Amino acid sequence: GENVEQHPSTLSVQEGDSAVIKCTYSDSASNYFPWYKQELGKRPQLIIDIRSNVGEKKDQRIAVTLNKTAKHFSLHITETQPEDSAVYFCAAWGAGGTSYGKLTFGQGTILTVHP
Amino acid sequence: EPEVTQTPSHQVTQMGQEVILRCVPISNHLYFYWYRQILGQKVEFLVSFYNNEISEKSEIFDDQFSVERPDGSNFTLKIRSTKLEDSAMYFCASRRDRGDYGYTFGSGTRLTVV
Repeated sequence: GENVEQHPSTLSVQEGDSAVIKCTYSDSASNYFPWYKQELGKRPQLIIDIRSNVGEKKDQRIAVTLNKTAKHFSLHITETQPEDSAVYFCAAWGAGGTSYGKLTFGQGTILTVHP
Repeated sequence: EPEVTQTPSHQVTQMGQEVILRCVPISNHLYFYWYRQILGQKVEFLVSFYNNEISEKSEIFDDQFSVERPDGSNFTLKIRSTKLEDSAMYFCASRRDRGDYGYTFGSGTRLTVV
């Protein structure tokens, strides 16, 4: 089955700096890659996503890049703010057979933005 | 905006007891899921459900687990005999149709087994 690896596990930046979180996936059939932000005790909230026919997508301070050949995708947050502090999860969408629609999550990155 | 509703928000149960976690997915959604998250760990897939049957289940979803959509609106997860290691946050999610990539997650039920 799909395996998603996420790095780093913790990331500490100063306010205004950029943050980059990287994920790799194993199933070349996966075709959709969402990123979730999770605050303590809350549900995962979708912040950005990308489909396999696109190499990059941007939404204000957040961008995601995808390299299908290398099977990795990254989250980029620019001009970080203290309210960006949270746990971020990448995920890959199962595209084959009964796994269609199943999300496999990475291990998560604890992002801390220091004022 | 439509929401996926989960009850209860927190459940404490004795080891060996049965628990039922309840979810009300968005009314026109067809695909339903349960995920769990042990404290401090990643979100893990448990089971997917479509057309009144399980589509896929993970290794975690053993004989102690079952799901049901008894009345066309509720979607329940039952754990027959809870173990300490079942303590986790359980998230229900739903999706509209095959072409819809967007998950809507519920707010979760925190299950504590003592």
